Amino acid sequence: DIQMTQSPASLSASLGETVTIECRASEDIYSNLAWYQQKPGNSPQLLIYDANSLADGVPSRFSGSGSGTQYSLKINSLQSEDVASYFCQQYNNYPYTFGAGTKLELK
Amino acid sequence: QVTLKESGPGILQPSQTLSLTCSFSGFSLSTSGICVSWIRQPSGKGLEWLATICWEDSKGYNPSLKNRLTISKDTSNNQAFLKITSVDTADTAIYYCARTTEGILYYFDYWGQGVMVTVSS
Repeated sequence: DIQMTQSPASLSASLGETVTIECRASEDIYSNLAWYQQKPGNSPQLLIYDANSLADGVPSRFSGSGSGTQYSLKINSLQSEDVASYFCQQYNNYPYTFGAGTKLELK
Repeated sequence: QVTLKESGPGILQPSQTLSLTCSFSGFSLSTSGICVSWIRQPSGKGLEWLATICWEDSKGYNPSLKNRLTISKDTSNNQAFLKITSVDTADTAIYYCARTTEGILYYFDYWGQGVMVTVSS
């Protein structure tokens, strides 16, 4: 199985700040990576697919980058509605695997 | 409008079989490329993919649970199903169904709201 190592596990940031979440795969996943946002009590929602493509309706302050085994999600100008957990997921090989998640809170 | 909704027993006892239903609208599991997957999340923890079924009836299972899982579909009624045999307390989780649109290895673009399943004696 491909292991997805996500960091940090938790993050505290101020409104307007830029935050970055990292995800490292145990082997090359050829940009077959998605990022999801999960607000408390809700199901995950797709943010980014193919490592850097923004899903429909997602604000442009979210962006994804990376290749090979290293990927990142950046949130520019943090808003209060961005408080959530964020997960990466690889879909290059079965079984699908997810990162353990990053819990983003406001400072 | 694409929607998915999970349903299940709520609570069951160890060693029983868990049966889950995903009812969806806005797409068809007979359309080329469409797949429906099951993913679960224990309270406060991460996500674990369980199984996927696709339009042409191909199936994939997580090897860590493969012997206990059976996924199936009812295309005419827009439903997908998951059975998990011999449950124990470690199977307590929120269970989600989700859609992919380009075959068996793709991202999940729509998710259901999830259904809580508790295994307890």
